[in-house]
Amino acid sequence: SAVISQKPSRDICQRGTSLTIQCQVDSQVTMMFWYRQQPGQSLTLIATANQGSEATYESGFVIDKFPISRPNLTFSTLTVSNMSPEDSSIYLCSVASRGAGANVLTFGAGSRLTVL
Amino acid sequence: AQSVSQHNHHVILSEAASLELGCNYSYGGTVNLFWYVQYPGQHLQLLLKYFSGDPLVKGIKGFEAEFIKSKFSFNLRKPSVQWSDTAEYFCAVRPNTGGFKTIFGAGTRLFVKA
Repeated sequence: SAVISQKPSRDICQRGTSLTIQCQVDSQVTMMFWYRQQPGQSLTLIATANQGSEATYESGFVIDKFPISRPNLTFSTLTVSNMSPEDSSIYLCSVASRGAGANVLTFGAGSRLTVL
Repeated sequence: AQSVSQHNHHVILSEAASLELGCNYSYGGTVNLFWYVQYPGQHLQLLLKYFSGDPLVKGIKGFEAEFIKSKFSFNLRKPSVQWSDTAEYFCAVRPNTGGFKTIFGAGTRLFVKA
């Protein structure tokens, strides 16, 4: 399965600032996703990062708040804009594999964000 | 809306005890079902999956899960837990609509006492 590197692994940010999280995959993948895991809660899909086109956002998430880039098949970024304490969460990059492991998600280690 | 419910948020067991973690989902169509596990300090990883066929599926480390379609359930079991099974377990469902959206439960934190 693919190996995913995320950075930063953690950060502490001030209210009103923005942070960009990077996701690098060791192989070309078609499907790439960004999830959020708030304290004590489930993983929630933010958006699907589409290569060469705008990301597809889930209900409750908008591009102005969570702009996503996907310049190629191995890299994506998620920016958390104008942060507030409610954005404190773990943000996870994920890719889906086909073939024998069809539709299985592989996750990065996550980026733990604390907003003061 | 589609959702996944995990019955227990925290479970504490002694080694050699049997484990069953409940999972129910709300979706009327065909689904793919998963259990993911996150060991302390590690990435979230696949424990087992069900796509079709035998509703009793076996995963890594002696875990198994049974899909009961009539109950919309996919409970995870292990006959005898070990201290190393201490982890957080997530049930997940992917409606078989051709897309990749996977819906996760809230997770169950399992602590196994040595």
